[in-house]
Amino acid sequence: QQQVKQSPQSLIVQKGGISIINCAYENTAFDYFPWYQQFPGKGPALLIAIRPDVSEKKEGRFTISFNKSAKQFSLHIMDSQPGDSATYFCAASINSGYALNFGKGTSLLVTP
Amino acid sequence: EAGVAQSPRYKIIEKRQSVAFWCNPISGHATLYWYQQILGQGPKLLIQFQNNGVVDDSQLPKDRFSAERLKGVDSTLKIQPAKLEDSAVYLCASSAPAPRGGGQGAHDTQYFGPGTRLTVL
Repeated sequence: QQQVKQSPQSLIVQKGGISIINCAYENTAFDYFPWYQQFPGKGPALLIAIRPDVSEKKEGRFTISFNKSAKQFSLHIMDSQPGDSATYFCAASINSGYALNFGKGTSLLVTP
Repeated sequence: EAGVAQSPRYKIIEKRQSVAFWCNPISGHATLYWYQQILGQGPKLLIQFQNNGVVDDSQLPKDRFSAERLKGVDSTLKIQPAKLEDSAVYLCASSAPAPRGGGQGAHDTQYFGPGTRLTVL
């Protein structure tokens, strides 16, 4: 049973464009929502994370938008660059010290 | 700071054989996780340790998978006997408690190793 649903499965964006990846969850006990970036042959690396007491968090070109009532959150990558081409995973857990429930991932390709 | 180390990086075995993976977490990290990542999927937790005790092994197929974390540092994950559907990348991650007084949003970041890619033929 997939506890976190992620879309789209793949995404192609031109350089300089905005990449948007969406996730939805059902478990209202989830309290920690990170996004991980994974390059081929590497392990996932934390990109940015949010807790449900805020609706938005921005770090550089990366922004998480969080809608608690809709149980949805999204990642926005502004001014997308070819170096951003990777697989992105959203995740959720009941607390940051607990195991992460990952979405299926989005393969992002940023074209020059 | 050295990252999470895993070995081997790649392993190819025949079905019904056994295999073991090793993980060395970041120094001082009390919590260690093993995840299974099947091609095209997100990682799925197999087992979580806090020091050398098991916190969660509810998704570990205990008839064939076993894991231990002796002395609360290194960990090994074993599969015996392997099945075709065990072909996946096995990821180890570690985390440390967020510093006290870290303020709103302080949290334990999970740091992942590069993984071991297992192919079962």
